[in-house]
Amino acid sequence: NAGVTQTPKFQVLKTGQSMTLQCAQDMNHNSMYWYRQDPGMGLRLIYYSASEGTTDKGEVPNGYNVSRLNKREFSLRLESAAPSQTSVYFCASSEGTLSLSSYNEQFFGPGTRLTVL
Amino acid sequence: GENVEQHPSTLSVQEGDSAVIKCTYSDSASNYFPWYKQELGKRPQLIIDIRSNVGEKKDQRIAVTLNKTAKHFSLHITETQPEDSAVYFCAAIWSTLTFGKGTMLLVSP
Repeated sequence: NAGVTQTPKFQVLKTGQSMTLQCAQDMNHNSMYWYRQDPGMGLRLIYYSASEGTTDKGEVPNGYNVSRLNKREFSLRLESAAPSQTSVYFCASSEGTLSLSSYNEQFFGPGTRLTVL
Repeated sequence: GENVEQHPSTLSVQEGDSAVIKCTYSDSASNYFPWYKQELGKRPQLIIDIRSNVGEKKDQRIAVTLNKTAKHFSLHITETQPEDSAVYFCAAIWSTLTFGKGTMLLVSP
């Protein structure tokens, strides 16, 4: 099993350009997540998908859109990139939704390092 | 609101010493507290977690303690080794996981 995979590993964009970050998991997990990681800020949730066909905003959704293409794949789109979106982006998945009544380990992908000039 | 504060932001110890990282959380409704380790350039990985119905959990050199009354939990690493050097994140669950800002642990030989 590859676990959670992400493409690309690195990307440089100019301000205003668009791009899509791809994420796939082969663990038959129901829930998937997108985080961004900035120095000194920890991991902040951008969007998540509790199950196929649903998506919800996290802590920092502005400037991003997501698509849960199928159970395996969850993509993150930047429509008009800004320098403030320079970050490392992690996709994660878990068997079930994380909530006060449900505890599931989150498995992270290797990350995408994005620089916006 | 839902918030997790983590201290210290950096921690330097000598090999063989113990290391303690502390987190406090804002909303007492939370009942699940995982800890993640992230080595340089790698992905975060779960190392230990604790649920609110226990006060302590151990796994070899790693232990986590929880004080629900005070709303804080701590990671304890004993007999530290250079390979323990990494960034450690605590987290708490509400509608989703909320992470602390991380502690960079440096273990010197």
